[in-house]
Amino acid sequence: NAGVTQTPKFQVLKTGQSMTLQCAQDMNHEYMSWYRQDPGMGLRLIHYSVGAGITDQGEVPNGYNVSRSTTEDFPLRLLSAAPSQTSVYFCASSYDSNSNQPQHFGDGTRLSIL
Amino acid sequence: RKEVEQDPGPFNVPEGATVAFNCTYSNSASQSFFWYRQDCRKEPKLLMSVYSSGNEDGRFTAQLNRASQYISLLIRDSKLSDSATYLCVVNLRSTLTFGKGTMLLVSP
Repeated sequence: NAGVTQTPKFQVLKTGQSMTLQCAQDMNHEYMSWYRQDPGMGLRLIHYSVGAGITDQGEVPNGYNVSRSTTEDFPLRLLSAAPSQTSVYFCASSYDSNSNQPQHFGDGTRLSIL
Repeated sequence: RKEVEQDPGPFNVPEGATVAFNCTYSNSASQSFFWYRQDCRKEPKLLMSVYSSGNEDGRFTAQLNRASQYISLLIRDSKLSDSATYLCVVNLRSTLTFGKGTMLLVSP
């Protein structure tokens, strides 16, 4: 069972470069989200989607774009990477946006911006 | 006031001990509550949901007090494998807010 798959697992970028973090789930989950985790900060919500074609901003959306063209995929784009975006990024999904649904997390992408 | 607050710890306990973690949340409209476990450099994993009536899963007991906006997790008979960071999580209008976590270290 693949669950939530994130690629790449590690990435080093130079300031100003762009890249896309991939997230895919095979559980037919409607709800998907992206978090970043920094030391001493806990997980913070970047963007989320309640279904294909619908996205919304979380707590820290600046510098990131998302799209949800299919139920399975929810890529996160960094348009112009900055050192402040060095972090561990987690993608998560749940069956729907019902508040009682737990979220399933991917393994994470460790991103360093030089 | 931070939305979800936890004591960061670490809590150092011997095997077999009972340990309790507390968490407070600021938004009274919060709809659902969870405890997640996160091992070092790994993804968070759901430990258990928290219900108003209190709920138990083996050695783990979770309690919710909506009036005080307070959540607790009790771990009985601690195992070495319980060493991890425990995240208190609150769901409001389809978005999860995570506490910073409480670190537990169980020693032989």
